[in-house]
Amino acid sequence: IAGITQAPTSQILAAGRRMTLRCTQDMRHNAMYWYRQDLGLGLRLIHYSNTAGTTGKGEVPDGYSVSRANTDDFPLTLASAVPSQTSVYFCASSGLAGAGEQFFGPGTRLTVL
Amino acid sequence: KNQVEQSPQSLIILEGKNCTLQCNYTVSPFSNLRWYKQDTGRGPVSLTIMTFSENTKSNGRYTATLDADTKQSSLHITASQLSDSASYICVVRVVRWGKLQFGAGTQVVVTP
Repeated sequence: IAGITQAPTSQILAAGRRMTLRCTQDMRHNAMYWYRQDLGLGLRLIHYSNTAGTTGKGEVPDGYSVSRANTDDFPLTLASAVPSQTSVYFCASSGLAGAGEQFFGPGTRLTVL
Repeated sequence: KNQVEQSPQSLIILEGKNCTLQCNYTVSPFSNLRWYKQDTGRGPVSLTIMTFSENTKSNGRYTATLDADTKQSSLHITASQLSDSASYICVVRVVRWGKLQFGAGTQVVVTP
């Protein structure tokens, strides 16, 4: 089934630990995005990639890093997790950067203790 | 301050009834506005998209309206069903950078 997959579905993590959230899409979309969703707030962009090999910072990039080695995969890494990074993380993709519908993955619920 | 404000934050409606959700935005210049539906534990899914020149767009029992002059949009749900229970998110795209501005969403609960 075409779409976006994310892993893990949920994770509880001790503060200070390193964590990588995985995202894979099979729609051959050029652009990919990472958002976090917190209660009472709209989705906020963490990092984005307009095409394989390029990445950019979004609205809330501090404490996160990304890479885009190929078209399909866009992992998000928390180098040293802190409790304020407790959130639900969504990966999304779109055919064109800055245009078109963004398709979202099912999300990863991350709790940092 | 969020540039996309949604109201109400939540509402409960009886199955079969209609409801209207509101979205006010200050984003400028404006490219398009989408309404997304987000089921609990899932990612958002697009319902409708409207550009500057469109006033109304329907998708089944969902009808979105847009007044670009007053910067207001609404989403009307007709004859609600239990499956309509979800969060509805208003998303506005800024012209220059293609950046998206997300509202916080309206949580709708449809009860039997």
